[in-house]
Amino acid sequence: DSGVTQTPKHLITATGQRVTLRCSPRSGDLSVYWYQQSLDQGLQFLIQYYNGEERAKGNILERFSAQQFPDLHSELNLSSLELGDSALYFCASSVASGGIYEQYFGPGTRLTVT
Amino acid sequence: AQSVAQPEDQVNVAEGNPLTVKCTYSVSGNPYLFWYVQYPNRGLQFLLKYITGDNLVKGSYGFEAEFNKSQTSFHLKKPSALVSDSALYFCAVRDPSGGSYIPTFGRGTSLIVHP
Repeated sequence: DSGVTQTPKHLITATGQRVTLRCSPRSGDLSVYWYQQSLDQGLQFLIQYYNGEERAKGNILERFSAQQFPDLHSELNLSSLELGDSALYFCASSVASGGIYEQYFGPGTRLTVT
Repeated sequence: AQSVAQPEDQVNVAEGNPLTVKCTYSVSGNPYLFWYVQYPNRGLQFLLKYITGDNLVKGSYGFEAEFNKSQTSFHLKKPSALVSDSALYFCAVRDPSGGSYIPTFGRGTSLIVHP
């Protein structure tokens, strides 16, 4: 158990809908990362927050947004969902933002868009 | 720019034999290198990292990796494979001179250990 929690574990929704994925980092970790994992694209970095502020942006679509709250939990919002958004979404956390720190991953949310 | 390659999609090894999962990288400076493992239906789990110092890094579950700057490689090794080591392995690299705090992950190598 990494100490990172994600809810829900599974999500099935229809095209055009909006969903929210939730992540709680390990106790004491200030940095949260979101990743998308699919068979064809591999593990893609989406966005990073550090202590409530956006720190880095990756291949995140404009239909997707995220935030980190004062209690350090984070939410990833996906809207106008398309079939191609079906994937595993992982949240990870690290103690700080520097690149020397390893990341601890949650169990993921499996999103299926029908 | 930083990049990482895992040249083998799949590695097969018999239980009890040594295993190697390959990783090569490209950075402009000195790299930070990481290995993660993903078991089925689980998130990635940190195994080990190289930041500086001794080129041989020891990690969890008996795994180790050797940083080779001349060959730009960071291969993951274990002297004696277990069936329970069967999983997806990811190498990641970060170039500290590149301005980004985010590591780049390889596409993963599926390790299958046969009884």
